[in-house]
Amino acid sequence: DTAVSQTPKYLVTQMGNDKSIKCEQNLGHDTMYWYKQDSKKFLKIMFSYNNKELIINETVPNRFSPKSPDKAHLNLHINSLELGDSAVYFCASSSDRVPYGYTFGSGTRLTVV
Amino acid sequence: GEDVEQSLFLSVREGDSSVINCTYTDSSSTYLYWYKQEPGAGLQLLTYIFSNMDMKQDQRLTVLLNKKDKHLSLRIADTQTGDSAIYFCAESKSDSWGKLQFGAGTQVVVTP
Repeated sequence: DTAVSQTPKYLVTQMGNDKSIKCEQNLGHDTMYWYKQDSKKFLKIMFSYNNKELIINETVPNRFSPKSPDKAHLNLHINSLELGDSAVYFCASSSDRVPYGYTFGSGTRLTVV
Repeated sequence: GEDVEQSLFLSVREGDSSVINCTYTDSSSTYLYWYKQEPGAGLQLLTYIFSNMDMKQDQRLTVLLNKKDKHLSLRIADTQTGDSAIYFCAESKSDSWGKLQFGAGTQVVVTP
């Protein structure tokens, strides 16, 4: 009954590989997000989708490609992984109505070796 | 984030009050939020305040907003060891499609 679930929780992979992180929410929210948290705990938005449409695309390398097959799912695919991609990636969702309180997933710790 | 600033660390004794401070730069912010992150977990929304309010109380939590100085604070009364976590301040704007700008987080350590 987890509200926002991400898989996998941990991901260790070699440089140059391609990997995906999946996210699903069962809250009926219309908007989903991907945030990256670096080693200093700083959180930065990467993407946002509203009803399967991309609405926010921050300055993110095009090796990162989000995909939203329906409004309950937002997956993140990363090509040609680099050491600097190591971070914790959080999925979140919110309703379209203020105050936009996010519900976060528990995060995916990606380590690129 | 460059628009939201917080002090990085706070140590407090169990039973005392904690006050975590945050400043923001964008006067068009409509909502301001406090999130809590425990180790290995996602962020949990604690409380939020609309920009036309100056105070909000929710059990042990009190949020104060000084819009003139763009200063937000979170007071935790009777701090417990379970309050040890990182606390993030965040802001949103009405035209931002729900995008939140987060501060860097304040690590709160509660000592017995």
